Amino acid sequence: QLQLQESGPGLVKPSETLSLTCTVSGGSISSSSCLWGWIRQPPGKGLEWIGNIYYAGTTYYNPSLKSRVTISVDTSKNQFSLKLGSVTAADTAIYYCARLSLGYYVTDYWGQGTLVTVSS
Amino acid sequence: QSALTQPASVSGSPGQSITISCTGTSSDVGGYNYVSWYQRHPGKAPKVMISEVSNRPSGVSNRFSGSKSGNTASLTISGLQAEDEAEYYCSSYTSTSTVVFGGGTKLTVL
Repeated sequence: QLQLQESGPGLVKPSETLSLTCTVSGGSISSSSCLWGWIRQPPGKGLEWIGNIYYAGTTYYNPSLKSRVTISVDTSKNQFSLKLGSVTAADTAIYYCARLSLGYYVTDYWGQGTLVTVSS
Repeated sequence: QSALTQPASVSGSPGQSITISCTGTSSDVGGYNYVSWYQRHPGKAPKVMISEVSNRPSGVSNRFSGSKSGNTASLTISGLQAEDEAEYYCSSYTSTSTVVFGGGTKLTVL
């Protein structure tokens, strides 16, 4: 059974960079049939897609976040990562890592989510 | 890209049917059959209930069904049960190879 697990600091200071890593187990991140990505949910708000990455490195980003976001992949560790720069309180959210299945374009596996708070 | 439009809340009594709409544009919902629906219970990760407009993944109750007409997709839940009370989100692939979610709908089972 495929499992995804987010890890990283739960508290980030304003103007700094938020960094999270997702470890994939029970399957290979080097699959040609899916993308790996990040989705977040601010308190009291809806889901917001952040971006996806293919194992070979091709990335797709939300236009509203593109200038601040970098998603990368490390196939040797079966991990992918998120960096979000110049954070503000508006970036406080539960961050989910997830798998998007190509062909169906459905996010079929999700991590449990991790709360990241931006505060000084 | 703008979020897909969903009603903020819907409600129904046990046994009844409800429908949640999801309105986008010809660049997302209307242009592709890649609309998915997700259920999220408090404190839990979202779970896919419908993919490709109307496909139910293995293990999802047949009380859940999806459809699409033009730029609007719909999720129907029949025979409402208490356990269906949750937030529901639609999402769609877009013409710029991105993904867009709806704002979410809170379903209350009365």
